[in-house]
Amino acid sequence: DAEITQSPRHKITETGRQVTLACHQTWNHNNMFWYRQDLGHGLRLIHYSYGVQDTNKGEVSDGYSVSRSNTEDLPLTLESAASSQTSVYFCASSVQQNYEQYFGPGTRLTVT
Amino acid sequence: AQSVTQPDIHITVSEGASLELRCNYSYGATPYLFWYVQSPGQGLQLLLKYFSGDTLVQGIKGFEAEFKRSQSSFNLRKPSVHWSDAAEYFCAVGAGGRRALTFGSGTRLQVQP
Repeated sequence: DAEITQSPRHKITETGRQVTLACHQTWNHNNMFWYRQDLGHGLRLIHYSYGVQDTNKGEVSDGYSVSRSNTEDLPLTLESAASSQTSVYFCASSVQQNYEQYFGPGTRLTVT
Repeated sequence: AQSVTQPDIHITVSEGASLELRCNYSYGATPYLFWYVQSPGQGLQLLLKYFSGDTLVQGIKGFEAEFKRSQSSFNLRKPSVHWSDAAEYFCAVGAGGRRALTFGSGTRLQVQP
């Protein structure tokens, strides 16, 4: 069955370290998204991509970067982790021209 | 830009009682509307969606939602709540050329026996 996976599921890191969160989907979807979830804020968009070599900033992109070298993967990198980036991160994907998104299980990141 | 408001942060209902979760959106035209559910420690699962047509949409797990253009609302309902419905519920909208979703802040549902 097609799916979307995230790794690691839990990560503890120190302030200032670079961290990469993986997202892999086997739906063959063009669109991929990264959101962060914080209490009282719902999910907020970090970055998104409409296809290979395409990346776009969302509302809370500062301190994050993504790259899209193939259809299946959209890794999220925190260049220099900050305590404010402690959150749960969700990856999602959707078919081209479609708003219905499929979500991964999430990665809980703690920055100490 | 669109926005989504879920006025109720936390709702408690008794098992077997009816449920209505409120969602209001702000957008110039009719957006694509979604309800997602998140069980503790899990990802988001799509409950139902509205794109066009019949304003009352049926979803999974016995949920339904009604789109009311005049009120810019898309409230989620269930006639009889089960203990397994305890979770967090998110309303989301998609609009404009960007295919990302804008989420409300969520409503946490607690079910009393």
